[in-house]
Amino acid sequence: EGQLLQSGGGLVRPGGSLRLSCAASGFTFSSYAMTWVRQTPGKGLEWVSYINAGGGSTFYTDSVKGRFTSSRDNFKNILYLQMNGLRVDDTAIYYCVGGSIDPWGQGALVTVSS
Amino acid sequence: DIQMTQSPSTLSASVGDRVTITCRASQSIRHWLAWYQQKPGKAPKLLIYKASSLQDGVPSRFSGSGSGTEFTLTIRGLQPDDFATYFCQQYDTYSVTFGRGTKVEVK
Repeated sequence: EGQLLQSGGGLVRPGGSLRLSCAASGFTFSSYAMTWVRQTPGKGLEWVSYINAGGGSTFYTDSVKGRFTSSRDNFKNILYLQMNGLRVDDTAIYYCVGGSIDPWGQGALVTVSS
Repeated sequence: DIQMTQSPSTLSASVGDRVTITCRASQSIRHWLAWYQQKPGKAPKLLIYKASSLQDGVPSRFSGSGSGTEFTLTIRGLQPDDFATYFCQQYDTYSVTFGRGTKVEVK
């Protein structure tokens, strides 16, 4: 059974940076595209980013383009989300997702506040 | 973006009830629809994929139907563990989108 273990959330000031990690086990990580999703009480579940299996193609929602970068290490079976220029409205629980639907990481709370 | 409209937003039910939740897509997503259950403080749990396929380990009282733009999640014989929030998600495109959720609460 595939599992994703997330790390890297926390509290950061506006304009700051944070890197989320998502370690995969129990499935062939290098064969799967991966998705980042975030959740807030106000906006619900929102797609953030998609990266293909090889890591050569990435896509982002408009509000994070130019600030967030998704990458992966298929040797270490780890997915990353580098978040720069963080804004208050980036505050959310961030989830990594295998493919587009399963498995899901446990979530990482990112709080952007002064 | 494909918009997902889920209804109702809240549903009051009793143990043993049959519960139906509906999700409508703004354009055809063929059968690329998933249903999730989420409990407070936890990640969403996949129940149904490809509109009607039951995820391994999910009780058979959960079922999904539909294609194109209209989809339904049915819970037959609601159990105490089923009181939670349910979401639909389209994954016809890489930019997945979600319904706003249906909270199933105790009547």
